[in-house]
Amino acid sequence: AQSVTQLDSQVPVFEEAPVELRCNYSSSVSVYLFWYVQYPNQGLQLLLKYLSGSTLVKGINGFEAEFNKSQTSFHLRKPSVHISDTAEYFCAVRPNSGYSTLTFGKGTMLLVSP
Amino acid sequence: KAGVTQTPRYLIKTRGQQVTLSCSPISGHRSVSWYQQTPGQGLQFLFEYFSETQRNKGNFPGRFSGRQFSNSRSEMNVSTLELGDSALYLCASSLIAGGLGETQYFGPGTRLLVL
Repeated sequence: AQSVTQLDSQVPVFEEAPVELRCNYSSSVSVYLFWYVQYPNQGLQLLLKYLSGSTLVKGINGFEAEFNKSQTSFHLRKPSVHISDTAEYFCAVRPNSGYSTLTFGKGTMLLVSP
Repeated sequence: KAGVTQTPRYLIKTRGQQVTLSCSPISGHRSVSWYQQTPGQGLQFLFEYFSETQRNKGNFPGRFSGRQFSNSRSEMNVSTLELGDSALYLCASSLIAGGLGETQYFGPGTRLLVL
């Protein structure tokens, strides 16, 4: 079984400041890792995913994440946030073999203020 | 290409009633997964269908059921509604949901309120 821990339920930040949203996971098998974003009253949209290869993954809207296998982490970063980045962010994992589903963390609400 | 669509978007029911939610996946996608999202429990997996067969099931009571049709459209049903069933129900589709790291595309969800 897999589990995902998002260490911060809320992260307040000022516009144009950098941000890091933390994600740690636990799994007995190798996994793929994902970050999704959910804007108010909408479904989830994929930001980026790590499958293999380079541990630094670039996604949409200027976000990037780094996979650290030894620390079982997949933290999401953005060097300069905008008001429009205010949303809930979900980290998720899925085993990299077999037919399986996503296991999500509880989410981190990113609150960007002017 | 049209995205995942879910109907209805909002629903109000009373305890004891039953409800059916519908999901139309992206054209060509054969896998449909359902998730329940609540403030307390977050996103929890309900079940996944592929080619009209339930392939995976989460830890929910038997009151929650689903099915998939030959055109890949899916429905989920909740019988004997309880207050705790109030949630956002999200549907996601993908080509085959295999171990290839493929993306699941989510619909906007159906918000169910049980009174």
